[in-house]
Amino acid sequence: RKEVEQDPGPFNVPEGATVAFNCTYSNSASQSFFWYRQDCRKEPKLLMSVYSSGNEDGRFTAQLNRASQYISLLIRDSKLSDSATYLCVVNGYRAGSYQLTFGKGTKLSVIP
Amino acid sequence: NAGVTQTPKFRVLKTGQSMTLLCAQDMNHEYMYWYRQDPGMGLRLIHYSVGEGTTAKGEVPDGYNVSRLKKQNFLLGLESAAPSQTSVYFCASSYSRVGHHLNSNQPQHFGDGTRLSIL
Repeated sequence: RKEVEQDPGPFNVPEGATVAFNCTYSNSASQSFFWYRQDCRKEPKLLMSVYSSGNEDGRFTAQLNRASQYISLLIRDSKLSDSATYLCVVNGYRAGSYQLTFGKGTKLSVIP
Repeated sequence: NAGVTQTPKFRVLKTGQSMTLLCAQDMNHEYMYWYRQDPGMGLRLIHYSVGEGTTAKGEVPDGYNVSRLKKQNFLLGLESAAPSQTSVYFCASSYSRVGHHLNSNQPQHFGDGTRLSIL
């Protein structure tokens, strides 16, 4: 299994739709999990951290399943401004240090 | 508050030329990172620093050198540029290394990138 694996998409959804992104990770010792969003030709920006109990930020809900090594991001009531690439990010301890591993991203296009 | 600033934003080099990319942060972050992003590859860590005067190798360090002489600056050097180093380079910083037991959820803040083309 790749360290962090995401469906590359693209996901094309109409405004107002609910869309879910999935991510799996291979390092069972990982301790920190994040979703970042990256707009075209821009830098990644933190969307939200992911906690074991699940967490919500407005229209965004993140879930973590440590047993299955699976992370999800749910976006409700999609807006045009949600169009971006969503990166699943996981930390892991290797070669003597903690490092972040980025998934390749899932591209979302919200269509009017 | 500038956050993380990268210079230059764009550069075209010829094979064999050298250059230095500068990253500066004004958030008093201890940790700084250099990544490259290529189509279909995602972000890959080149080198990182856990404090002034320290550096360490990441996933893809070959062909690059770094220095952290001042806490706020992290320099990435290409001694002899190769076409394979054509990429978008991102610098990031964080208050503490992600995964540290005291601050396991500290995110990284990114600069807006340097687009480097090597002919």
